[in-house]
Amino acid sequence: SQQGEEDPQALSIQEGENATMNCSYKTSINNLQWYRQNSGRGLVHLILIRSNEREKHSGRLRVTLDTSKKSSSLLITASRAADTASYFCATDNGSSNTGKLIFGQGTTLQVKP
Amino acid sequence: GAGVSQSPRYKVAKRGQDVALRCDPISGHVSLFWYQQALGQGPEFLTYFQNEAQLDKSGLPSDRFFAERPEGSVSTLKIQRTQQEDSAVYLCASSPRQTTNEKLFFGSGTQLSVL
Repeated sequence: SQQGEEDPQALSIQEGENATMNCSYKTSINNLQWYRQNSGRGLVHLILIRSNEREKHSGRLRVTLDTSKKSSSLLITASRAADTASYFCATDNGSSNTGKLIFGQGTTLQVKP
Repeated sequence: GAGVSQSPRYKVAKRGQDVALRCDPISGHVSLFWYQQALGQGPEFLTYFQNEAQLDKSGLPSDRFFAERPEGSVSTLKIQRTQQEDSAVYLCASSPRQTTNEKLFFGSGTQLSVL
């Protein structure tokens, strides 16, 4: 079963615009991660935010975490055509050693040149 | 190799056939995971190894699914008597750490189609 719910399911923007994706989850967590998946490929880790952090930046990526609302957002600024991909949030269900990350259903982002 | 390698890249099986999917994790990575990804969905956890020990197999959908990692490196996911609902992409991931809730390195997956 999927823990994360992602919103929107699909997003289409013009190159240069910002893209915001949201993720909600159900249980307590130690951290939340975002991954990108290009069509027909595996997932690539983008960024990890711990439960005691509220905001984190990495290049053009900005992630926020609100543990009281059990939600996170991923902002991609100044988007490029190469950002076209599916984006997934993943949580650990509050345990560090179960080996189980729980992924959301993903947001499909299309950046038009 | 530089990354997680999976083979075959594509597999077509007739219903009832047995299949074996291979994963070569990044050298030295302790933790290895198998995930199943249905079309248009996020990956769903199948099983987890720490070295050669299978510590969690709670996600395996039925006793037709079996995974092993006998020497703590290469892993094989075997599906017996395949059914159409087994059609999915099977992703392998590895991590250098024993604590397993952090960054995973994924392979490109094996796309299984059961006819």
